[in-house]
Amino acid sequence: EADIYQTPRYLVIGTGKKITLECSQTMGHDKMYWYQQDPGMELHLIHYSYGVNSTEKGDLSSESTVSRIRTEHFPLTLESARPSHTSQYLCASSFGQLRLEKLFFGSGTQLSVL
Amino acid sequence: DAKTTQPPSMDCAEGRAANLPCNHSTISGNEYVYWYRQIHSQGPQYIIHGLKNNETNEMASLIITEDRKSSTLILPHATLRDTAVYYCIVRVEGEYTGKLIFGQGTTLQVKP
Repeated sequence: EADIYQTPRYLVIGTGKKITLECSQTMGHDKMYWYQQDPGMELHLIHYSYGVNSTEKGDLSSESTVSRIRTEHFPLTLESARPSHTSQYLCASSFGQLRLEKLFFGSGTQLSVL
Repeated sequence: DAKTTQPPSMDCAEGRAANLPCNHSTISGNEYVYWYRQIHSQGPQYIIHGLKNNETNEMASLIITEDRKSSTLILPHATLRDTAVYYCIVRVEGEYTGKLIFGQGTTLQVKP
């Protein structure tokens, strides 16, 4: 079992609210990722981090921001939520091992913006 | 990274082997084949990976053709809990990035 946790599991909020999706892992992994997935669609990488104080934007443009102040914690923030942000957000982590693209995923946060 | 092609959906009877195909005809010599699955509303789960030899673990077997242009993931005795979307991904070896590209995958429905 992977020890990566996301909270909340479900979130329904109104337009314009600031929200933070939490992601924590207890495996000591240096690399962490945020993916976005709409129902029945592909996963899209929106942010990643290779270590503390390191964050990069992913392949899909996103209005969210991330921070990596501690190894185990990689929160995602939306300053002003909009209905277009409604989606599932998946956090993942991995350790820096050559040739092994083994990601551990959390259970996801299903976000609905009204 | 090479493109992969998978059938959009498959059915399998419970207790039977599930064979999920994947075509990767443009794969290069240093690209690995990875399989993940995603059970409804959960995050994807790593299953297995391989380069050119067949691989087996506690979850599944991976059969890669000699020319490496296609592979098959085998779940030897499918259960209802194996119902999920299965993703076949090819990825170059070398510097590890973790930035996997998940396509549409194959939706496997295991039926009683």
